[in-house]
Amino acid sequence: EAQVTQNPRYLITVTGKKLTVTCSQNMNHEYMSWYRQDPGLGLRQIYYSMNVEVTDKGDVPEGYKVSRKEKRNFPLILESPSPNQTSLYFCASSLGAGGNYEQYFGPGTRLTVT
Amino acid sequence: AQSVTQLDSHVSVSEGTPVLLRCNYSSSYSPSLFWYVQHPNKGLQLLLKYTSAATLVKGINGFEAEFKKSETSFHLTKPSAHMSDAAEYFCVVSRNAGNMLTFGGGTRLMVKP
Repeated sequence: EAQVTQNPRYLITVTGKKLTVTCSQNMNHEYMSWYRQDPGLGLRQIYYSMNVEVTDKGDVPEGYKVSRKEKRNFPLILESPSPNQTSLYFCASSLGAGGNYEQYFGPGTRLTVT
Repeated sequence: AQSVTQLDSHVSVSEGTPVLLRCNYSSSYSPSLFWYVQHPNKGLQLLLKYTSAATLVKGINGFEAEFKKSETSFHLTKPSAHMSDAAEYFCVVSRNAGNMLTFGGGTRLMVKP
């Protein structure tokens, strides 16, 4: 089954404790991205990747890191989480970038930073 | 620059009545436009997309949307609401080339029996 998977689905952590949220897709998609969803703000893009070893900032990259060492994986790293990073996070992938390509979303990771 | 405004944060309809979810956008180029749906505790799923072909776009589950350039609108409609339509809906604008997707704030649709 074609899908985007994220782990963990729920995470509660404390300020400053490094964490990684994994994302994996099995569709051989070149383009992957991370979003955060906050009430009333819709989804905002954190980082995206056009292909292996190619990443760039989205709208709200501060406090986040990513890497793309393999085509299928795109982990999101929070080196020193803070309470304002409490949010619902979605990973997405698509065959290419731009308006002609449908984004496939993972199920989401709900992160709480205390 | 581009932006998306969903004019209603909540819409409530009765089952069997029409649905209208409103979306206005601004863009300095010819955009692609999408509607995504998010059911509770799920990821987002594509409902339909407009990419400069026909202005009336049909999607899944009986939804459709009309691109009106003069009004910079892309409203989502459905003739008859079903209980399973209760979800949050996002209007999204994208460049045809490039990576920038801009989401609206979302409209939560409630369907009453």
